[in-house]
Amino acid sequence: GNSVTQMEGPVTLSEEAFLTINCTYTATGYPSLFWYVQYPGEGLQLLLKATKADDKGSNKGFEATYRKETTSFHLEKGSVQVSDSAVYFCALSDQDNQGGKLIFGQGTELSVKP
Amino acid sequence: DTEVTQTPKHLVMGMTNKKSLKCEQHMGHRAMYWYKQKAKKPPELMFVYSYEKLSINESVPSRFSPECPNSSLLNLHLHALQPEDSALYLCASSQAERGRWNTEAFFGQGTRLTVV
Repeated sequence: GNSVTQMEGPVTLSEEAFLTINCTYTATGYPSLFWYVQYPGEGLQLLLKATKADDKGSNKGFEATYRKETTSFHLEKGSVQVSDSAVYFCALSDQDNQGGKLIFGQGTELSVKP
Repeated sequence: DTEVTQTPKHLVMGMTNKKSLKCEQHMGHRAMYWYKQKAKKPPELMFVYSYEKLSINESVPSRFSPECPNSSLLNLHLHALQPEDSALYLCASSQAERGRWNTEAFFGQGTRLTVV
């Protein structure tokens, strides 16, 4: 079956540090891959997406590249800000997955200190 | 506009109460979802509606009853809940449909439900 594995948190960084959150996946079909962010007390926001191998999703300084050979979709940002403190979820949706169900990783909590 | 609107934002209910959660989207999406999220956990799928018909029920207890009155609205009726049902309930919508299941979903802000 389909699954997503994320690095465990919490991750604590100083402002302007480089961020990497690892995400690997298992899928039987041709999944699209997503990163969602959840700020405290809020719902999930789509941060970026990639729909096929070698696609790079980017938004708000965050990037992730769909690597089919390593089944990975790692999230990166060159310089984090305090306002990036949130929980980040990697997710996939498979072409064969009727209903468009999202499969989520466990989430990684990021805390950025000034 | 990628907005999904949920009401109420917070809800406290007793175990004998009946209440409803509401969700609205105007993006023309034909798939709508209810997810349940416990603290520090990923969302768990409860129900999927596709073209206003229930297509997936993830073995959710009958005290949760979904309803899709039209293509823009989704309700979740609650009755005789237990304290362990306290959670954040998220509504989402997407363009997912037959032949195009692997699309992104857009989430509302959620309803924080407390059962006392």
